[in-house]
Amino acid sequence: QVQLQESGPGLVKPSETLSLTCNVSGGSVSSTTYYWYWIRQPPGKTLEWIGYIYNSGSTGYNPSLKSRVTISIDTSKNQFSLQLRAVTAADTALYYCASVGHNMWFDPWGQGTLVTVSS
Amino acid sequence: EIVLTQSPGTLSLSPGERATLSCRASQSVSTYLAWYQQKPGQAPRLLIYDTSHRATGIPARFSGSGSGTDFTLTISSLEPEDFAVYYCQQRSAWLLTFGGGTRVEIK
Repeated sequence: QVQLQESGPGLVKPSETLSLTCNVSGGSVSSTTYYWYWIRQPPGKTLEWIGYIYNSGSTGYNPSLKSRVTISIDTSKNQFSLQLRAVTAADTALYYCASVGHNMWFDPWGQGTLVTVSS
Repeated sequence: EIVLTQSPGTLSLSPGERATLSCRASQSVSTYLAWYQQKPGQAPRLLIYDTSHRATGIPARFSGSGSGTDFTLTISSLEPEDFAVYYCQQRSAWLLTFGGGTRVEIK
């Protein structure tokens, strides 16, 4: 069973770049079985998918964030990463990584990491 | 973008009661709809996928139904651990979207 764990700074200054990593265990980020996603949840609000990366590195991004987002993969460390540039207070959220496998739905999820954007 | 509207926003029920949660899509999503449960301080957990299929380890008291634009999650008899927020999500369109959530609280 795949397990996911997010890591990264909990505080980022406005206009800087948010960088998070998702460590994958129990499966390979190189697998053709899974898509690897980032999803976020602002405090008290619903969920929003940010983007995904698949296999050799093909990516897809939510159009609302596309201009500021890069998702990359590191097969040697079995992890994938999120970079969100030029952050503002509106980017404060719980950030989750999740996998999409055979059933084509988000399962499982990482535990989530809170990122606050503040000076 | 397909908008998912969940109702009610909050459902106040007692353990043992039946819970009926609704998710309405702004356009047809066929049966490409899932339900997730989120407890405080935890990540969402997949409950139901493709409208009516229970995910691994999900108890039989959870069931899903519907098609097109109207979907229902039913919890036949609420257990104490079922009080949580429930989200629906569609994957009919490339732009995946979630509903706003329904909170099931203890009455």
